[in-house]
Amino acid sequence: AQSVTQLGSHVSVSEGALVLLRCNYSSSVPPYLFWYVQYPNQGLQLLLKYTTGATLVKGINGFEAEFKKSETSFHLTKPSAHMSDAAEYFCAVSLLTGGGNKLTFGTGTQLKVEL
Amino acid sequence: GAGVSQSPRYKVAKRGQDVALRCDPISGHVSLFWYQQALGQGPEFLTYFQNEAQLDKSGLPSDRFFAERPEGSVSTLKIQRTQQEDSAVYLCASSLVRGSGGIYNEQFFGPGTRLTVL
Repeated sequence: AQSVTQLGSHVSVSEGALVLLRCNYSSSVPPYLFWYVQYPNQGLQLLLKYTTGATLVKGINGFEAEFKKSETSFHLTKPSAHMSDAAEYFCAVSLLTGGGNKLTFGTGTQLKVEL
Repeated sequence: GAGVSQSPRYKVAKRGQDVALRCDPISGHVSLFWYQQALGQGPEFLTYFQNEAQLDKSGLPSDRFFAERPEGSVSTLKIQRTQQEDSAVYLCASSLVRGSGGIYNEQFFGPGTRLTVL
């Protein structure tokens, strides 16, 4: 079984500051890892994913994440926050072990961006 | 092109009523997933279809929950005798094919149906 832990249910940053959202996972086999963003009253939008290959992955809107196997982490960063980044962010893990590739999500981190 | 659509967007039910939530996946998508997102929580997997076959229903919380996808496209999630703990946003997602051969296929999410049980 796999699980995801997101440290910090609420994160507040100033506009232009670094964004760092933390995600740690546990999995018995190498997982696929994802970050999704959810704006109010909207569905989830994929920001980026790690499947295989390069451990530093770049996504949309200037976000990137690095897969660190030794730390079982997949933290999300963005060098400079923008007001439009305010949303809820979910880290998720998936295993391709048959029966589809269902996602297991963390509990989410609400990002607030202040002027 | 059209994304995943869900209807109704909002549903209010009295405790004990039956409800049906509809999901229209992206045309041609083989895989369809249902997730339940309680307030302040991340989405939790309910069930998975590959075409019309329900291959995994391990996340359905009770036998009051039932899902179907009879023609391999539109899916309906039915909840019988709703309870207050069923109040949540129900998300549907579809992907082009089942993940295989180490290739992950992105799940595209609909906007969800917010169910409130009074």
